[in-house]
Amino acid sequence: EDQVTQSPEALRLQEGESSSLNCSYTVSGLRGLFWYRQDPGKGPEFLFTLYSAGEEKEKERLKATLTKKESFLHITAPKPEDSATYLCAVQHSGYSTLTFGKGTMLLVSP
Amino acid sequence: EAQVTQNPRYLITVTGKKLTVTCSQNMNHEYMSWYRQDPGLGLRQIYYSMNVEVTDKGDVPEGYKVSRKEKRNFPLILESPSPNQTSLYFCASSSYGRIYFGEGSWLTVV
Repeated sequence: EDQVTQSPEALRLQEGESSSLNCSYTVSGLRGLFWYRQDPGKGPEFLFTLYSAGEEKEKERLKATLTKKESFLHITAPKPEDSATYLCAVQHSGYSTLTFGKGTMLLVSP
Repeated sequence: EAQVTQNPRYLITVTGKKLTVTCSQNMNHEYMSWYRQDPGLGLRQIYYSMNVEVTDKGDVPEGYKVSRKEKRNFPLILESPSPNQTSLYFCASSSYGRIYFGEGSWLTVV
């Protein structure tokens, strides 16, 4: 059974204080690992897809990395508008169910 | 503009009264799915469809039905809603590793 564990559950940062969110996973044959951002009451917004260990992707202040057991979402010099819940999900090679972690709620204070 | 549209966005209904939540996408995606999101449990997949007339159960299918008669539409049917189906529901469609979510449907069953 696919499993995704995100840590920490919640993170409070000061504006400009860089940090990382963790996503540990267990999956039988990884097809893709996804990162999403979700604002309260809204649908998840796509950020990145990573396909193989060693892969990295960047977008503005965010950088996602992938190993065989975990993924990190690095946030560099965050701003208050980066406050959201960040979700990680995995899809196994059968291309069916997407398994989500419970998310990390990030709050960036000015 | 790529869109996944759900209706209704908000609904309060009574136990046992059949309801349908519609979902439509304009991206010609073959793969569509439904999720529910509950506090502390994260996003869980209800049903998915890999193409017209092809549907399969996700992690939490009990109490739900779906149909896929056209490529763009994937309605979620609650034949006899119960209070434990009170939740925030998301429809999603995907192609080549990127998944698009709708804005969500808040459903309350009293």
